[in-house]
Amino acid sequence: AQKVTQAQTEISVVEKEDVTLDCVYETRDTTYYLFWYKQPPSGELVFLIRRNSFDEQNEISGRYSWNFQKSTSSFNFTITASQVVDSAVYFCALVAYYNQGGKLIFGQGTELSVKP
Amino acid sequence: DTGVSQNPRHKITKRGQNVTFRCDPISEHNRLYWYRQTLGQGPEFLTYFQNEAQLEKSRLLSDRFSAERPKGSFSTLEIQRTEQGDSAMYLCASSISSGGFSYEQYFGPGTRLTVT
Repeated sequence: AQKVTQAQTEISVVEKEDVTLDCVYETRDTTYYLFWYKQPPSGELVFLIRRNSFDEQNEISGRYSWNFQKSTSSFNFTITASQVVDSAVYFCALVAYYNQGGKLIFGQGTELSVKP
Repeated sequence: DTGVSQNPRHKITKRGQNVTFRCDPISEHNRLYWYRQTLGQGPEFLTYFQNEAQLEKSRLLSDRFSAERPKGSFSTLEIQRTEQGDSAMYLCASSISSGGFSYEQYFGPGTRLTVT
C-alpha cells in the first residue's frame, strides 16, 4: 500500500523566517514520483515540483528548496525568507510509475500561515 | 494559455437531488482525473480516463456516481440521489501520459458541493 504522511497539520511563522514542511512516504514500488502542490485560499491546487525516485539531488527554485532522502523515505520542502503570499495549504503526493494509472496519493496537507 | 476549467464553481442542492459537474481539461492532455477533497484532508482519487476510456474507479465511487468523457474531451461527473456525505470539493485534473506514465497533473479550481 502507498501512503503519504504530513505530520505537521499547521505551521505559523513570521515573515522572513525559514520554514520546512515535512513529508514521509511509504511505497513498495521501486520506481515512483513525488510531488508538492500548493493550495492557496482560492482552492486551486498549484503544481510546484516533481521528483523521481532515482534522483536524490536536492533542488532549489528561488526561495523554494526540496530535500529528497530515499534512506528515510522523506521529501521535505523548505521555504526561505517566507512571505505572506506563501500562506496556503501544501500537499505532498506520491505516484507509482508503472501502475495505478498515475493516480496521486496525497498527504493530509500542512497549513502554513505567514504573518507580517 | 487556458488551464483546466470546472463548472459550476459552487453547487447547493437538496438531499436526494441529482447533480452534474463538468470539467474541461487542457486541450492536449489525454488523461483526466477526478478527485474529491473534504475539509482538512488531501484530495482522494475517484476515477480517471485515458482519452475516452474510463480505466479505473475508486471504491469511493459508489453506484450513485458516474463519470463520462465522450470523445476524449470534456468530462462530466454525475451524482444521483445526493446525500449529505457527498458534500465536498470535487477536483478535476489533467495530464499528458507517455509510455504508460502520467506526468504532473494540473488541477482545475474545483466544484464545491453542499448537500442540505
